[in-house]
Amino acid sequence: SFEVTQPPSVSVSPGQTARITCSAPRLWYAYWYQQRPGQSPVLLIYQDTKRPSGIPDRFSGSSSGNTATLTISGTQALDEADYYCLTWDSRSDSFVFGTGTKVTVL
Amino acid sequence: QLQLQESGPGLATPSETLSLTCNVSGGSMSIRNYYWGWVRQPPGKGLEWIGTIYYTGSSYYNPSLKQRIALSVDTSKNHFSLKMSSVIAADTAVYYCARHLGYGAQEHWYFDLWGRGTLVTVSS
Repeated sequence: SFEVTQPPSVSVSPGQTARITCSAPRLWYAYWYQQRPGQSPVLLIYQDTKRPSGIPDRFSGSSSGNTATLTISGTQALDEADYYCLTWDSRSDSFVFGTGTKVTVL
Repeated sequence: QLQLQESGPGLATPSETLSLTCNVSGGSMSIRNYYWGWVRQPPGKGLEWIGTIYYTGSSYYNPSLKQRIALSVDTSKNHFSLKMSSVIAADTAVYYCARHLGYGAQEHWYFDLWGRGTLVTVSS
């Protein structure tokens, strides 16, 4: 399967906007997960832009070509976590997670 | 509210077969478009999809692990299981079970509910 690339880390000041990219040779839909230390992943965004109930609207997703972006607006200290994207690789018939991005709120 | 709980040995011996079970409570596994999957995470590393199974037994495996894994489902007990053979130290990870929503083609599928995970250490 191909590699789905994310920046290893993103730093952001409280109240500012953080953007995390997810790139793949062929990107179908992107799904985004937040994983706080010691916890299970939580779904933030599905099908590029949709937000499950209960997820704050400061989390949003977009996609263009082979890159998807997760945007955290008005970042809060509790948003400090690892973020992963997930996509489907039709050539290898496998689900592939991105390499993960650690968001630090300074 | 649906919950998933992994169970299995915390320690596995190299070359042996690892067996894990995910118990589903608070709802039935046998619902159309609900699949059930396994994802693992080595310590300090990222997530890796292992495989996914439907309540009918249809299954999908990560090609890189396909030779060593087998998924099964027991709807009477509302649980599903993972067997991984010939384990090595690199298989040391937290293993998560998760509900895999599967509407339409696979590019529409995603994990929406996760268990807490269970750490499996492969060591002699």
